[in-house]
Formats: sequence, structure tokens, C-alpha cells
Amino acid sequence: DAGVIQSPRHEVTEMGQEVTLRCKPISGHDYLFWYRQTMMRGLELLIYFNNNVPIDDSGMPEDRFSAKMPNASFSTLKIQPSEPRDSAVYFCASSPGYSNQPQHFGDGTRLSIL
Amino acid sequence: AQSVTQLDSQVPVFEEAPVELRCNYSSSVSVYLFWYVQYPNQGLQLLLKYLSGSTLVKGINGFEAEFNKSQTSFHLRKPSVHISDTAEYFCAVRTPAQGAQKLVFGQGTRLTINP
Repeated sequence: DAGVIQSPRHEVTEMGQEVTLRCKPISGHDYLFWYRQTMMRGLELLIYFNNNVPIDDSGMPEDRFSAKMPNASFSTLKIQPSEPRDSAVYFCASSPGYSNQPQHFGDGTRLSIL
Repeated sequence: AQSVTQLDSQVPVFEEAPVELRCNYSSSVSVYLFWYVQYPNQGLQLLLKYLSGSTLVKGINGFEAEFNKSQTSFHLRKPSVHISDTAEYFCAVRTPAQGAQKLVFGQGTRLTINP
């Protein structure tokens, strides 16, 4: 099993640019989660999907952030326009459809907005 | 709603010494409990989980945790740590309710092993 795959691993871009983060979940997992990790705020859940449908986006910080899951094997998190305060490590995780099963995390995308 | 408190933000320990990382949770319903480890520049990996049954749960890398319902705690322990255990450790809680997939994480405890 390849695990959750995120790309890119690192992204450095200038303020105002559009940023797109990508995630491929583990095959067969029904749930996909996007998290953001910073020193100040720790690990925050941004949004999660069930069977490609967004279930809870209450953690999305503002309208500049959007997430999509066009099919069971791919999701994107987009920031447009980006700001320096968006700098963080963004994680994608997936899990099967049972609440007693753990979430499996990708290695994250380290995003720096200059 | 559930919440998780990790009582120590940093724990320095000498190599081969025992360690305990403390986790308390609050919830009005029964919960599932998890410990994750995050090594530098990596994602979170599951160490162990408590679902039901025996309150002492054994995980990978020699770690174990004990669920204490009366104290609403789920402390993580290892009898003898190695340099390779240097990492950040996260406690997390979830309810068993159907469709309840959100994990609530603590703020993390940074474990530093000194030689």
C-alpha cells in the first residue's frame, strides 16, 4: 500500500499567487481530511470529505481557501490569493468508513508565502 | 463536544530513562482514543489506539497507554526511551457515533531524548 501521497512536498511562492496542493488518498478509504499545522495554532482540521462530498468545512479559514474532490483518488486544496499568514504545513489524511479506524496521514506540503 | 489536553508541551528525558506523556480528555459520551507520533518533516503515524476492552493498550516501538475512565486520562508510557524516540506526540479523541469521523487533537508534546 502506497499510503497517502501529497504533492508538492515543498512550495515557495510570492504573496498573491494561487497555490494548489494535491492529495491522493489510500485506495478504498471513504474519508479524506485536510489539516493545517502551525507552531501557533497546532493541528487544525480545515475540511473533510465522505465519498467525495464535503461534509464539514467549518475549519476553512476564509473564502480564499477552497477544496475539491472530483473523484475517489484525488483532492485539491487551493489558496487564492495566498498571503504570508498561510505559511504552514498542510496535511492530507484518509480513513475507512468506520469510526474505530485511524486516519492515515501523508507527509505534508510545507508552504511558504513570501 | 470533545476536547483534549496534553499537559506538557515539552518533555526532556535522558536516554534509557522511562517517560510518561500525559493526556486528558473531556467528553459527555464514550470515546475512542489515539496516540500519534510525528517525526521531523513527516506526517503523523499511529502509535496505538483504545477502542474498548482492556484498559492497557500496547503499540509500536515499545509504547503503551492506559485508559482511565474515572480520571478521563490516556497517558502514554515507555519504560526505556531511545534517541530515535525524539518526536512530537499527539493524543486524539473521537466518538464512536456513526459517521463521527472527526478527530480532536491535543496540542502535542515534544519529546526530546538527551544522550
